[in-house]
Amino acid sequence: GESVGLHLPTLSVQEGDNSIINCAYSNSASDYFIWYKQESGKGPQFIIDIRSNMDKRQGQRVTVLLNKTVKHLSLQIAATQPGDSAVYFCAENSGGSNYKLTFGKGTLLTVNP
Amino acid sequence: GAGVSQSPRYKVAKRGQDVALRCDPISGHVSLFWYQQALGQGPEFLTYFQNEAQLDKSGLPSDRFFAERPEGSVSTLKIQRTQQEDSAVYLCASRPRTRNTGELFFGEGSRLTVL
Repeated sequence: GESVGLHLPTLSVQEGDNSIINCAYSNSASDYFIWYKQESGKGPQFIIDIRSNMDKRQGQRVTVLLNKTVKHLSLQIAATQPGDSAVYFCAENSGGSNYKLTFGKGTLLTVNP
Repeated sequence: GAGVSQSPRYKVAKRGQDVALRCDPISGHVSLFWYQQALGQGPEFLTYFQNEAQLDKSGLPSDRFFAERPEGSVSTLKIQRTQQEDSAVYLCASRPRTRNTGELFFGEGSRLTVL
């Protein structure tokens, strides 16, 4: 969903559950997408990326799905752990080979023990 | 450490003061980016360097913002005559030449508060 002002979309899950974080992107010409995790007081940290010629990519405990028809991106986290609690941002590449990333507004994930 | 280092971590300035924020990228990283992150928002692009060349400064909000990377390593973001709306976290990120992805290595940011 979209955030308004300071109110981030939030997702609260129990430890061990699977989490799904959604993102709508704006530019149909974007050819590359990336997910970042940002813990409080730290800089964003790379999680996983995907190019527009793919619709799914898997990493360790994470999967990114891309639906270009509806310009939608999702991040699935398996067996969510307390250490996964953070703000998650999707970003799209609007700078060609320079990778000038345009970030979304973020989703706050809280994992309850 | 071997990560991107930013200083100062926290800066409080009175409106109208000039500030300078420093970024030490990971050694050997060719590309360097500055982003501005307002509270509760995603990072927004400010400017991009490849080595010492500033290839894109389209995100700088006004001519009060200036960035440089004279020797292709350390970069400084300068904000002149600061205003309250400049309050934000300023993030620096770098990327190696060989990495053909958007995986940027971010520093922890410099939090600027303008009173």
